[in-house]
Amino acid sequence: LAKTTQPISMDSYEGQEVNITCSHNNIATNDYITWYQQFPSQGPRFIIQGYKTKVTNEVASLFIPADRKSSTLSLPRVSLSDTAVYYCLAGYSTLTFGKGTMLLVSP
Amino acid sequence: KAGVTQTPRYLIKTRGQQVTLSCSPISGHRSVSWYQQTPGQGLQFLFEYFSETQRNKGNFPGRFSGRQFSNSRSEMNVSTLELGDSALYLCASSFNYRLAGGTGELFFGEGSRLTVL
Repeated sequence: LAKTTQPISMDSYEGQEVNITCSHNNIATNDYITWYQQFPSQGPRFIIQGYKTKVTNEVASLFIPADRKSSTLSLPRVSLSDTAVYYCLAGYSTLTFGKGTMLLVSP
Repeated sequence: KAGVTQTPRYLIKTRGQQVTLSCSPISGHRSVSWYQQTPGQGLQFLFEYFSETQRNKGNFPGRFSGRQFSNSRSEMNVSTLELGDSALYLCASSFNYRLAGGTGELFFGEGSRLTVL
């Protein structure tokens, strides 16, 4: 089962690019990497999912190196509304969200 | 279309009682999973159902149970409540069983906040 490790918290300022890295050293061959965002008193919301190299959608990019032992969620030009908890999941065997990364965006 | 609906949104129970929480998935979604969220432990997986069958179970005691009905609606039950069961219980649905190797897109409800006194 792929266990993930990500920073507990990160700080940024409006307009900056934020990169949150997740470590998943024992990721299995078939495992995808998925990121979710959660605001207070709400359920998590799907952001992006990928298997290798780079995936981009309208809100974020996901970078996965060739060895797939880590991945980086990139949020371009963050705003105050991006303040939230971000969860990285690897694989599907257990839906382990854990504590995620608390991103605080300041003016 | 309507999102995932969880009822009740808030409830207060006392130790030793039991509680049943309900989750109505998005129309057409057949997979439902449940989670417990607390400040200390984060968001932890409880169980997952697809086609009325439990497919996966997290590391929780047997006091936590669930089921899924033929219309995909799901309920979870916690018996003999303890103070530590106070938490936000979240339900998520997806159209099909998760893609091999990935979670796919899970759609979460707003949760049921349980307080045990």
